[in-house]
Amino acid sequence: DAGVIQSPRHEVTEMGQEVTLRCKPISGHDYLFWYRQTMMRGLELLIYFNNNVPIDDSGMPEDRFSAKMPNASFSTLKIQPSEPRDSAVYFCASSLGTGPYEQYFGPGTRLTVT
Amino acid sequence: GNSVTQMEGPVTLSEEAFLTINCTYTATGYPSLFWYVQYPGEGLQLLLKATKADDKGSNKGFEATYRKETTSFHLEKGSVQVSDSAVYFCALGAGTALIFGKGTTLSVSS
Repeated sequence: DAGVIQSPRHEVTEMGQEVTLRCKPISGHDYLFWYRQTMMRGLELLIYFNNNVPIDDSGMPEDRFSAKMPNASFSTLKIQPSEPRDSAVYFCASSLGTGPYEQYFGPGTRLTVT
Repeated sequence: GNSVTQMEGPVTLSEEAFLTINCTYTATGYPSLFWYVQYPGEGLQLLLKATKADDKGSNKGFEATYRKETTSFHLEKGSVQVSDSAVYFCALGAGTALIFGKGTTLSVSS
């Protein structure tokens, strides 16, 4: 298996632009997670899905952020409009379940908003 | 609620030194416990895990034992290498998304 795939790997955009991050989970995994990592705030869970349904989006920082999972093999995280404070590395992860199940992380998307 | 506390870093060691990174947790029920490692420029990857009390997880020379009596899951390695330099995260799994600690940066010099 190719693992969790994220695109793009790097994104540089100007403040006010829309940014879309993409994730393909490992086939057969029922759970998908979006995280944000910064030096200041560490690793933060933004939202997670089970069978394509959002379960907990309490970590989404504000209405500028939205996430969708239209099918079992694809998810997007959108920021509109983007701001410099959104600059971070965004990770997608997937797993077979919760509790004892391992989460598999993608390589991340490094977002820079100027 | 459930939470994980791990020691603040950075931890700086010489090659072949002994490593301990402390992790304690608060949880209801019987969670699973994990250690993840993040190498520079990469995503997190599972290092080891334990799913019940007294279990020992081990991988690549690292070990951690699930201690229910002390609610701990400390990471140890007998002889660290330069290639072990990374950020280490303790995590707890209990029916929802994993709960991660803040991470401990390990730097090993030759």
